[in-house]
Amino acid sequence: NAGVMQNPRHLVRRRGQEARLRCSPMKGHSHVYWYRQLPEEGLKFMVYLQKENIIDESGMPKERFSAEFPKEGPSILRIQQVVRGDSAAYFCASSLLGQGMNTEAFFGQGTRLTVV
Amino acid sequence: KNEVEQSPQNLTAQEGEFITINCSYSVGISALHWLQQHPGGGIVSLFMLSSGKKKHGRLIATINIQEKHSSLHITASHPRDSAVYICAVRTGNQFYFGTGTSLTVIP
Repeated sequence: NAGVMQNPRHLVRRRGQEARLRCSPMKGHSHVYWYRQLPEEGLKFMVYLQKENIIDESGMPKERFSAEFPKEGPSILRIQQVVRGDSAAYFCASSLLGQGMNTEAFFGQGTRLTVV
Repeated sequence: KNEVEQSPQNLTAQEGEFITINCSYSVGISALHWLQQHPGGGIVSLFMLSSGKKKHGRLIATINIQEKHSSLHITASHPRDSAVYICAVRTGNQFYFGTGTSLTVIP
């Protein structure tokens, strides 16, 4: 049973380009969480998704950022028109159970986005 | 003020020493996690706690729900334990994270 898979591991984008980050949860997990870790800072919650639904996006910047978790395929975090301040490590986690449940979350290796 | 506070921020120890990392939180939680992050690497979940104490090898994690406090202990520390240790609490939909404790174990 593979763990949470994120790709790419490293992504370089020029300012103004789009970045697409992918997260495949653990087999059987239908709850996905995205986090951002800015340089020298702790992890911050961005968005929580279930299959085909955004449950909580209170941590997402209002513009340029979007996330989806389709019925088939990985969850995608999309950043349009990237700026230097978007450079960070983006981590995905998945869990078997969701809101309010005492369930373990498993983390991916992260995608390190560098905007040049 | 952060929902999760960790101490110390940085810790250097000699190989073999007993290490304690502390975590205090201010929100109601359904679970507390201890995570390990190696430089440039991903995040590994070490423990998930909702009460009491758990042990895995040389690692021990405890939680006191009434005091909203958790500790991570490493016995007989080894250089390969060098990493950032992060306390995270789950409340509702979200995780809140401490800023991490950077541990360096010197041979």
